[in-house]
Amino acid sequence: ETGVTQSPTHLIKTRGQQVTLRCSSQSGHNTVSWYQQALGQGPQFIFQYYREEENGRGNFPPRFSGLQFPNYSSELNVNALELDDSALYLCASSMTGSSNQPQHFGDGTRLSIL
Amino acid sequence: GNSVTQMEGPVTLSEEAFLTINCTYTATGYPSLFWYVQYPGEGLQLLLKATKADDKGSNKGFEATYRKETTSFHLEKGSVQVSDSAVYFCALSDQGGSEKLVFGKGTKLTVNP
Repeated sequence: ETGVTQSPTHLIKTRGQQVTLRCSSQSGHNTVSWYQQALGQGPQFIFQYYREEENGRGNFPPRFSGLQFPNYSSELNVNALELDDSALYLCASSMTGSSNQPQHFGDGTRLSIL
Repeated sequence: GNSVTQMEGPVTLSEEAFLTINCTYTATGYPSLFWYVQYPGEGLQLLLKATKADDKGSNKGFEATYRKETTSFHLEKGSVQVSDSAVYFCALSDQGGSEKLVFGKGTKLTVNP
């Protein structure tokens, strides 16, 4: 069984730039969620994708956007990067349709904004 | 909205000591409750879960009981090991259909030999 994989593992950008983070869901999972984890904090829900459509969104501005592909992999795009966007970005996958199905997390992408 | 409050860390224990990490929640409806663990440089791993009141989740010697009357889900282990050193997160699932997780701020545990 292949787990959740994320790429890249680390990334350094400057303010105003754009970034794309990638996630491959665990085998058999059809739903992907993205979280932002600031240093010393718990993860914050950004949004979730199911059947290639956004299925719930947290309190993040529109410059955070995403995609889900037919193979259930996903991308997180962030435009106009700000210093506060520096964080660990976590992707989690699950199987919608199974009640209370726990989410499985990847190891994250560490994004640093200079 | 839904929220989770964990005891502040860090927590430092000696090997074989008893561990309790407190977690309380605020939620509408009947959420599912989780404990996740994060080792240095890694993502989150599900440690245990409980889906309804009075359920007890357990794994690797850790236990937590879903207490609806006190809105709590405290994590316990009778005898910690050095390898248990990590950050522990309490979380609940949003029953609004999106299944998003709402996390506490995390409690860092260090176990010394």
